[in-house]
Amino acid sequence: GAGVSQSPSNKVTEKGKDVELRCDPISGHTALYWYRQRLGQGLEFLIYFQGNSAPDKSGLPSDRFSAERTGESVSTLTIQRTQQEDSAVYLCASSLGGGPSDTQYFGPGTRLTVL
Amino acid sequence: AQSVTQPDIHITVSEGASLELRCNYSYGATPYLFWYVQSPGQGLQLLLKYFSGDTLVQGIKGFEAEFKRSQSSFNLRKPSVHWSDAAEYFCAVGATNAGKSTFGDGTTLTVKP
Repeated sequence: GAGVSQSPSNKVTEKGKDVELRCDPISGHTALYWYRQRLGQGLEFLIYFQGNSAPDKSGLPSDRFSAERTGESVSTLTIQRTQQEDSAVYLCASSLGGGPSDTQYFGPGTRLTVL
Repeated sequence: AQSVTQPDIHITVSEGASLELRCNYSYGATPYLFWYVQSPGQGLQLLLKYFSGDTLVQGIKGFEAEFKRSQSSFNLRKPSVHWSDAAEYFCAVGATNAGKSTFGDGTTLTVKP
């Protein structure tokens, strides 16, 4: 596709359930990022992939959060035992090389609501 | 650690008026600076970026920003605002050793007719 896509666009779940969020980056982009945006706040970095490896996981808020990337393409962010404070929009971005000067292209996000 | 402050949570301007959105950053070296716009229901779009060279950078949609090292600022400007500019604007600083960026909390722009 032409841009970064994310699915689902909206997810409502019950507290304690696991959820999986998917990101399809722009074809050929080696770097992929996950951010969280709580209501009325800026973006909070979660994790960064270069290829299939994750050199920077510093932003993952707890061990309930994990992410993987396969085939230097699709990435999945998994949140286990969801809590109400996990409610947010989860944004994915990709860039060509992963350097600090590379433009990050963002997807439309997945809005997660934990009841 | 790097950080970004956008002092203005909400700004309202009249259509046709000039605009300046403030951004202050904290970073130990020469920063990589970005401005993004997020329109309702849409993803973030890069307006412009600064790495080095000319401190006045031009972006899309008629926006520009000026890097002032002495003030640790990277303010976004537009000479004449259009109603379609109503959106949320984020300033970000990028790390030199990784691609992740640190974002400010954003400024919401409302444009009055």
